[in-house]
Amino acid sequence: ETGVTQTPRHLVMGMTNKKSLKCEQHLGHNAMYWYKQSAKKPLELMFVYSLEERVENNSVPSRFSPECPNSSHLFLHLHTLQPEDSALYLCASSQDSSGGAGQETQYFGPGTRLLVL
Amino acid sequence: AQTVTQSQPEMSVQEAETVTLSCTYDTSESDYYLFWYKQPPSRQMILVIRQEAYKQQNATENRFSVNFQKAAKSFSLKISDSQLGDAAMYFCAYRSASNSGYALNFGKGTSLLVTP
Repeated sequence: ETGVTQTPRHLVMGMTNKKSLKCEQHLGHNAMYWYKQSAKKPLELMFVYSLEERVENNSVPSRFSPECPNSSHLFLHLHTLQPEDSALYLCASSQDSSGGAGQETQYFGPGTRLLVL
Repeated sequence: AQTVTQSQPEMSVQEAETVTLSCTYDTSESDYYLFWYKQPPSRQMILVIRQEAYKQQNATENRFSVNFQKAAKSFSLKISDSQLGDAAMYFCAYRSASNSGYALNFGKGTSLLVTP
């Protein structure tokens, strides 16, 4: 496997279900991100982990819970979602250097298409 | 927060022709990074080109080049010799160069259609 992988690629869940999205990066990066892409809206940053610590959380509802057990893996745990949470969830990674977090390019996975019924 | 505007929801170009996609952004920062990403129907977000704001020279990557106008806060993408495989959504994105600049701020995208 190369680059950034995400599983599953498609997920249908009911509002009472609990599911998890998985992201794995094979690039040796030290920062990972979750983005949400909804129709007709710009991508929205949800969470950022740098060196396995959460460094940014953009007012995301608590029904989304991230987990970063190590620098290569990132999870997004989902529970009691709403239909408006249906979207494409994209994971990304980057190598953030000591010179500033903004330097490095983010590389994206293929996304998980989530449908909440 | 920095905003990124792509004023062209859709563009069309004939194969082998040249097309320019527009992007403007709003920021009070002097140091930042700008990106163009391509998202084909497979939904994989692929980096096309990147520009550092402190560099005056416009970035180029093969058939892709940018026109970076810092004073005007404009960052357009030119695709030369368009190919059918260039058909995709194109997103312009901004990232701060500050230590807290983790987020990529994306525009709403431009859908590019390439006709034979």
